[in-house]
Amino acid sequence: EAGVAQSPRYKIIEKRQSVAFWCNPISGHATLYWYQQILGQGPKLLIQFQNNGVVDDSQLPKDRFSAERLKGVDSTLKIQPAKLEDSAVYLCASSLRFIREAGNTIYFGEGSWLTVV
Amino acid sequence: GNSVTQMEGPVTLSEEAFLTINCTYTATGYPSLFWYVQYPGEGLQLLLKATKADDKGSNKGFEATYRKETTSFHLEKGSVQVSDSAVYFCALSDPNTGNQFYFGTGTSLTVIP
Repeated sequence: EAGVAQSPRYKIIEKRQSVAFWCNPISGHATLYWYQQILGQGPKLLIQFQNNGVVDDSQLPKDRFSAERLKGVDSTLKIQPAKLEDSAVYLCASSLRFIREAGNTIYFGEGSWLTVV
Repeated sequence: GNSVTQMEGPVTLSEEAFLTINCTYTATGYPSLFWYVQYPGEGLQLLLKATKADDKGSNKGFEATYRKETTSFHLEKGSVQVSDSAVYFCALSDPNTGNQFYFGTGTSLTVIP
């Protein structure tokens, strides 16, 4: 079974530029998450989708970050304009359809490493 | 609210030493508990999980027991190997809040030969 796919793996941009990350979840997984992981810290949830609807985006900096999940499958996370403090790993994850089931595991992609200079 | 507190690292052990990484949690409901591992340059991988009190999760020689009375989920391994060097994250999910995951800050483990 294919895992969560993300691209690009690495990106270096200048501040004030824009960047987009793509994610393809595990087939059949209805819930998709984007996390930000700053070096030395745990992942912080940015946004959670259930199919193509947003469940939680309370920690998404909406003035510069946006995310969409068209057709309930692939998702794109965009940052525009980028700031130095956005340097982090952006992790996409997915989980099965029944989100209220105990022990429902989330599966992570390898991450997209962003450096803003 | 929900939160996870992990023992701070970094932790350095000799090969074959015993490992304990402490994790305690705060939850409003009945969460599921997880340990994830992150190897250098990679994403997080599920190591083990437990969904109710007194459950023991185990995988690759690692174990953790869900202790409701002490709100803990400590990770243990009897004999670590160099290949266990990684960052370990404790996490909880609350089915009553759409299974949102809450992660600890991670504990870096280095095993030296």
